[in-house]
Amino acid sequence: GALVYQYPRRTICKSGTSMRMECQAVGFQATSVAWYRQSPQKTFELIALSTVNSAIKYEQNFTQEKFPISHPNLSFSSMTVLNAYLEDRGLYLCGVPGLGGRQDTQYFGPGTRLLVL
Amino acid sequence: AQSVTQPDARVTVSEGASLQLRCKYSYSGTPYLFWYVQYPRQGLQLLLKYYSGDPVVQGVNGFEAEFSKSNSSFHLRKASVHWSDSAVYFCVLKGPSNTNKVVFGTGTRLQVLP
Repeated sequence: GALVYQYPRRTICKSGTSMRMECQAVGFQATSVAWYRQSPQKTFELIALSTVNSAIKYEQNFTQEKFPISHPNLSFSSMTVLNAYLEDRGLYLCGVPGLGGRQDTQYFGPGTRLLVL
Repeated sequence: AQSVTQPDARVTVSEGASLQLRCKYSYSGTPYLFWYVQYPRQGLQLLLKYYSGDPVVQGVNGFEAEFSKSNSSFHLRKASVHWSDSAVYFCVLKGPSNTNKVVFGTGTRLQVLP
């Protein structure tokens, strides 16, 4: 199966605080990492695309000021949700293309589920 | 612009019945299309994918999908469902291979009655 890990798997934070989530690829190079959010009862929205040695590209409605991303090497990426509020709750997935050389298939980690109190 | 439509938010079938989950896409070029499944409280698992060639692609657990360029569709099928197939199914489109952006459909929640 796909070797993309995310942690924590589940986290709870108080409204107005921040939390950091991590994504790790094992056994292959994560040149690019895509971060998605699935809000309750909704589909997945792309937050940003991160490519090593390139600028991170954020989608409309998502900003670096709110969701700063770090992608320091070819196996690891992290994203922080700053000043989390109720609307930030949901399942956050990281997606990594190119597992086993198949650049066009994106494999996902199990997700970090964020609850905001 | 790329878009994916899954017109059925919920589908309920009895165990052993056949299944079709619909997916329509909008894309000017040749798309890469995927079906993913999300089991309760879990992430996404890849069921099958279409890049080119035979329009009928086989996936895991007896699932298959058929690509139709004329209908802009990529419907998912299974001949006989099992209760464990109950999950949310997402149709996903990807554009050219030089971009890693994918577009998700809204998902179809499948309930299989025992």
